[in-house]
Order: sequence, then structure tokens, then C-alpha cells
Amino acid sequence: DIVMTQSPDSLAVSLGERATINCKSSQSVLYSSDNKNYLAWYRQKPGQPPKLLIYWASTRESGVPDRFSGSGSGTDFTLTISSLQAEDVAVYYCQQYYRSPETFGQGTKVEIK
Amino acid sequence: EVQLVESGGGLVKPGGSLRLSCAASGFIFSSYSMNWVRQAPGKGLEWVSSISSGSSYIYYADSVKGRFTVTRDNAKNSLYLQMSSLRAEDTAIYYCARGGVGSTTLWYLDLWGRGTLVTVSS
Repeated sequence: DIVMTQSPDSLAVSLGERATINCKSSQSVLYSSDNKNYLAWYRQKPGQPPKLLIYWASTRESGVPDRFSGSGSGTDFTLTISSLQAEDVAVYYCQQYYRSPETFGQGTKVEIK
Repeated sequence: EVQLVESGGGLVKPGGSLRLSCAASGFIFSSYSMNWVRQAPGKGLEWVSSISSGSSYIYYADSVKGRFTVTRDNAKNSLYLQMSSLRAEDTAIYYCARGGVGSTTLWYLDLWGRGTLVTVSS
């Protein structure tokens, strides 16, 4: 199985400041035939189901604010919230869909400092 | 409205069985692969199973293989998860989630239901 490891486990950021979450996969999730990274990011607010934010490592889902951006390739990926808002308090997960089982990272809890 | 609504959760004794359902609406259900993802209380997300649009490809996590069976009824726009030989560690919120179009099951999950809670306890 591909192991997804996120860092940090939690972080506290002031409103309006940048939040950065890292995700590392135990194997590359870059598919050579289409040159796409099979990596997604989700946000889960308390008491709610997860919501897709980013897919193909850097494509923002429709309706997701542009303060969210994804980057990286191969085994190392980053989710950046450029200017943290109060509604961004949540747990964020990365997921690889390169190979079954489609594994998730352990989650990163984002709070307001 | 595009949505997924799970049902069928509840309290069941260890070794028991339960059948979860997921009703889809607002999109062409038969075109999409579908997934079950679970979340134990206070824990992270765990992919459980996926099924392609025409049921030709089905996959399970090792933790549920041989005990859970995923099916779908495209005529009823519904996804199911038959769970048997349930264990305490199967206690979780079970979400159904939409995957990609067609036969591929390896895709991001762009639509999630609100989940149904399964509690396995004596």
C-alpha cells in the first residue's frame, strides 16, 4: 500500500496569514502516461463530510476559493492557504488515487492562533 | 440538487450484519464509479471499497475483504454495502462518495454524502 504522511499534525495560524500543509507519499503518484499526479486534497469541517478542494495535485475544484492552492509532484506535495479565514478551521487530508487501496494521510488540524 | 444520502446505520452486535444504502440524485448515477469511505470516531478517513459504473470492477480494503460486499443498482440510483461478521473496529461513520466516470475506480472523490453511523457493540 502507498503510505501518505502529512506534516504537521496540527498548526495554528493567525487570521490572514499563510498556512502550509505537506503530504509525502511512500511511492510516486505521478502517472507517466498522462503526466498527472494522482493526488487530491480534502477539507473536513467539524461535524461535516469531507469536501474536495484540489485534484491532480494542483487543480482547484469548482467553487473553491483561490486562496487554496496545491503544488508538488512525484512524492512531495503541499497545500497552501494563502490568507487563513475563520471558516478554514478544519482538518485537511491528502489522498492518493494512483493505486488501490486509495490511501489518505492522517490529517492536519488547522486552528486559529 | 446533486446529492448522496446514506442510510441503514445503527447499533449491531459483534458478529452481526448490516446493510447500508446510498441514494443518489441530481446526476447520472450509472455513469460514475462509487466508493465507500469510513471514519472511526475521532479518527481519520479510511477508504473501504469502490465499484465501477457497470459493476465490472470492484475493490476492497484488506480490512474488510471477505466480510463486506459492495453492489449497486443503477436503475434505482443506489449504492449498497452489505457488512457481515462485524467487529468493534468497524465502528465508524460510513460515507458514500462519487468517483470518476466509467470503468475507472481510481479517481478523486468530488461528491460526498453526510454519512451514516455504524456502531458495533455488545
